[in-house]
Amino acid sequence: DTAVSQTPKYLVTQMGNDKSIKCEQNLGHDTMYWYKQDSKKFLKIMFSYNNKELIINETVPNRFSPKSPDKAHLNLHINSLELGDSAVYFCASSHGQVNTEAFFGQGTRLTVV
Amino acid sequence: LAKTTQPISMDSYEGQEVNITCSHNNIATNDYITWYQQFPSQGPRFIIQGYKTKVTNEVASLFIPADRKSSTLSLPRVSLSDTAVYYCLVGDSPGGGNKLTFGTGTQLKVEL
Repeated sequence: DTAVSQTPKYLVTQMGNDKSIKCEQNLGHDTMYWYKQDSKKFLKIMFSYNNKELIINETVPNRFSPKSPDKAHLNLHINSLELGDSAVYFCASSHGQVNTEAFFGQGTRLTVV
Repeated sequence: LAKTTQPISMDSYEGQEVNITCSHNNIATNDYITWYQQFPSQGPRFIIQGYKTKVTNEVASLFIPADRKSSTLSLPRVSLSDTAVYYCLVGDSPGGGNKLTFGTGTQLKVEL
């Protein structure tokens, strides 16, 4: 059983398209995250949700809209994709909000052409 | 906002002990120090976490001096499979949210 699973693993799409990445965790955690890792391998947090409520939004363009239908899912929808959105997107989850171990998914490699 | 500084890369040989030091001069009183490991094409994986002095688990040891302005991750007898990027994080919780701010990481390369 995969603790944090993301789909799809690879996504190639054209500029201007809208796409979604899904994330599910079966760990019973109450906090979920989206991270972006760029070509220089720098990991940067985008969003954090706790009990389906948005608690961190790190100056991410409005084209990115996270949605958490329940505590086990945090999906990421991206509108009007741009070349600069190409990166690996990681979903993660943790129990609690402060100084706790986070479990990461395998990542979704998004390539915008 | 606590920021971390660690070496960009380190090289080692199989069987050696590797120590990776991280500086975090602005660490806050409530902050813990956490280390993650990332292999290519995989998500980061938790290694160890500590607040002060020494913490040891089956994978690594974490040494934290009294002033907590730095920490050292110690990997005993590394193998080729320990080649990865190691991230030092300091707990950052604005408004109660766990931000997990990653730095640039240290690329460890283990050779025969």
